[in-house]
Amino acid sequence: DIQMTQSPSTLSASVGDRVTITCRASQTISSWLAWYQQKPGTAPKLLIYKASSLQSGVPLRFSGSESGTEFTLTISSLQPDDFANYYCQQYHSYPWTFGQGTKVETK
Amino acid sequence: QVQLLESGPGLVKPSQNLSLTCTVSGGSLSRGGFYWTWIRQRPGRGLEWIGYISYSGSTYYNPSLKSRVIISEDLSNNQFSLILSSVTAADTAVYYCAKDKTFATGAFDIWGQGTMVTVSS
Repeated sequence: DIQMTQSPSTLSASVGDRVTITCRASQTISSWLAWYQQKPGTAPKLLIYKASSLQSGVPLRFSGSESGTEFTLTISSLQPDDFANYYCQQYHSYPWTFGQGTKVETK
Repeated sequence: QVQLLESGPGLVKPSQNLSLTCTVSGGSLSRGGFYWTWIRQRPGRGLEWIGYISYSGSTYYNPSLKSRVIISEDLSNNQFSLILSSVTAADTAVYYCAKDKTFATGAFDIWGQGTMVTVSS
């Protein structure tokens, strides 16, 4: 299985901060990576697909990038609604696998 | 707009079968080229892909669960189902059904609300 390793596990930030979450794949996945946001008690919400494509309706402050097997989710200016858990997921090879998650909490 | 809704028992006894159904509204299981998927989230843990049934009826399961999983479809009711056999406490989780995004197989843009299943005697 392809292992997806996210860092950090927890990130403390303030409104207006630029936030970066990293996801590293254990082997090449090309650009077949998605990012999700999940708030407590709700289903995950797709933010980014194919590493850098913004899902319809997602604010432009969210962006994704890649460099080899390292992928990054950036929130350019953290908003109150962005405090949540974030997960990466590869869909290059079966079984499709998720990272362990990053919790963005208020500083 | 496609919507998904999971249903099924919230409590299952150990060694029994877990059976869940996902009802699809606003779209058709057999049209659109989608992969209809089950994903679970165990308490305090991340997300785990269980498997899918495709628009053509083909299935693919996570090898870690393959021996215990069956995903099937009911086209007449526009539903797809999950059966997980011989459950243990480790199968206690929130179970989600999901649909992948057009032209992005494997990225899930539509999710059900999730249903909590507890395995306990």
